[in-house]
Amino acid sequence: EAQVTQNPRYLITVTGKKLTVTCSQNMNHEYMSWYRQDPGLGLRQIYYSMNVEVTDKGDVPEGYKVSRKEKRNFPLILESPSPNQTSLYFCASRRGDQPQHFGDGTRLSIL
Amino acid sequence: AQSVAQPEDQVNVAEGNPLTVKCTYSVSGNPYLFWYVQYPNRGLQFLLKYITGDNLVKGSYGFEAEFNKSQTSFHLKKPSALVSDSALYFCAVRGGGGSYIPTFGRGTSLIVHP
Repeated sequence: EAQVTQNPRYLITVTGKKLTVTCSQNMNHEYMSWYRQDPGLGLRQIYYSMNVEVTDKGDVPEGYKVSRKEKRNFPLILESPSPNQTSLYFCASRRGDQPQHFGDGTRLSIL
Repeated sequence: AQSVAQPEDQVNVAEGNPLTVKCTYSVSGNPYLFWYVQYPNRGLQFLLKYITGDNLVKGSYGFEAEFNKSQTSFHLKKPSALVSDSALYFCAVRGGGGSYIPTFGRGTSLIVHP
């Protein structure tokens, strides 16, 4: 089954404790991206990647890092999380002009 | 810069009635337009897209959308709403010609009453 898998689905942690949210897709898509969803703000893109070793900032990259060492994986790294990064995060992938496939989301709470 | 506006935070409609969820956009060049739906505790699911061709686009679950270039709109419609259509709907746009960054609207909550 074609899918985008995110882990963990839920995480409660504390300020300053480094965390990684993993994202993996099994469709051989070249394009992957991370979004955060906040009430009243819709989806905002954090980072995107057009292929292996090619990444670029989206609209709200501050406080986040990404890497794309393999085509299928695109982890999101919060080196020193802060409460304003409490949000619902989505990973997505697509091929060319096709629509994006989204994961089921990761709800992060940073205390 | 590209942008998307969904002017209604919430749309209420009775089951069996037609529904419309509005979307207007601004983008350089020809637009690539998408509608996605989000159910509780799930990611976004693709409904339909417009890239080129007929202005009326048909998608999943009986939804359709009409591309109107002069009004820069891409409203989502369905002739007869179902309670199960209740969800959060997002419009998205990106420019053509190799642009990879889509912009999403803030979302419209559709509530279909029995």
